[in-house]
Amino acid sequence: SAVISQKPSRDICQRGTSLTIQCQVDSQVTMMFWYRQQPGQSLTLIATANQGSEATYESGFVIDKFPISRPNLTFSTLTVSNMSPEDSSIYLCSVEGVGTSHYEQYFGPGTRLTVT
Amino acid sequence: GESVGLHLPTLSVQEGDNSIINCAYSNSASDYFIWYKQESGKGPQFIIDIRSNMDKRQGQRVTVLLNKTVKHLSLQIAATQPGDSAVYFCAESSQGGKLIFGQGTELSVKP
Repeated sequence: SAVISQKPSRDICQRGTSLTIQCQVDSQVTMMFWYRQQPGQSLTLIATANQGSEATYESGFVIDKFPISRPNLTFSTLTVSNMSPEDSSIYLCSVEGVGTSHYEQYFGPGTRLTVT
Repeated sequence: GESVGLHLPTLSVQEGDNSIINCAYSNSASDYFIWYKQESGKGPQFIIDIRSNMDKRQGQRVTVLLNKTVKHLSLQIAATQPGDSAVYFCAESSQGGKLIFGQGTELSVKP
């Protein structure tokens, strides 16, 4: 499986500010995803980060709030814009297709965001 | 809409016993299922997967069973150890890509 790192690992931010989260993979991957995990909850897909084109957002998530970049096959960023306390969550990136079976998804360690 | 849910939010077992974690899914078109383990402060860790053309798959101390008739998925952990304590998520997808996650079951192993 791929080694996935995220920066920062955690942060405490003031409302109204923005935070950019980085995801780095140690090998080239086709598919990268961003998820949100609210406290005590399951994972919800925010968007698919497409290399060379705009991200594909899931229902309830918009580009203005969660802009995503994917400049190459090993790196992506997610920005949480104009934050409010409701944005306090763990944000996770994942990659697909690195394992022996197609469709396997592997996750980074997550970024724990607290908005005050 | 599509959903994947779990029957039991918490499960407590004695060390050495077998654990069974259940999951129900609602999308009959789902063709791929994964179990993840998430320890506190970490990202989900891939455990085992199964495709819809199979009804059973075994790994090291883990077995996944798929019953497409009733749209039910289970994860069996043999000889449960304290290190197995975590939250377990099932997830499903159709034709690859987007994963839909269940709500999670917290497994607690008593020594």
